[in-house]
Amino acid sequence: EVQLLESGGGLVQPGGSLRLSCAASGFTFSSYAMSWVRQAPGKGLEWVSTISGGGGSTYYADSVKGRFTISRDNSENTLYLQMNSLRDEDSAVYFCAKMAAASAGARASSDYWGQGTLVTVSS
Amino acid sequence: DIQMTQSPSSLSASVGDRVTITCRASQGINNFLAWFQQKPGKAPKSLIYAASSLQSGVPSKFSGSGSGTDFTLTISSLQPEDFATYYCQQYNSYPRTFGQGTKVEIK
Repeated sequence: EVQLLESGGGLVQPGGSLRLSCAASGFTFSSYAMSWVRQAPGKGLEWVSTISGGGGSTYYADSVKGRFTISRDNSENTLYLQMNSLRDEDSAVYFCAKMAAASAGARASSDYWGQGTLVTVSS
Repeated sequence: DIQMTQSPSSLSASVGDRVTITCRASQGINNFLAWFQQKPGKAPKSLIYAASSLQSGVPSKFSGSGSGTDFTLTISSLQPEDFATYYCQQYNSYPRTFGQGTKVEIK
């Protein structure tokens, strides 16, 4: 059974940093690209970033480019999102999602999602 | 960026109704379109990929169709567990973009 468990969310001041983690199990982690998707309170879904199975290829939304870094540790079956220079508008529930292909550049959808972790940026 | 527009934004329906949600892309995306279901406080659940292929374990009352710019999600006979918000997403190009969601409520 595929399981994705996010952690690391919390309250942080504007300009601060936070690192989210997503622990994966139930599939060969290194064989699949992974993504982060966020949802601001009461709003819709917003794609944030995707990384290839090997970690060598990454994509970012313009809204986070230069501030967020996606990475993965395939030996630990864990996906990360390093978030720096946080802004009020980054407040959201952050979901990790397993993609249906290894390559981040492949036209593949997500098939499994974690339950999310809440990030609140506020002074 | 490709804009995804869903209609309607919300609808009220009764148990047993047939429900259709439309998703339109601002440019052609072939069939690289997915549908997700989300219940309050829960993670999205993948329903359909490649516009019309059902994810494993998803009941056949859900169906998808379309190609190019116009797509539909149909629920053949609405059940109480189907009341939720539904999102489309294109994965033809980056940035991946979602529709704004369609909330299906009980009439």
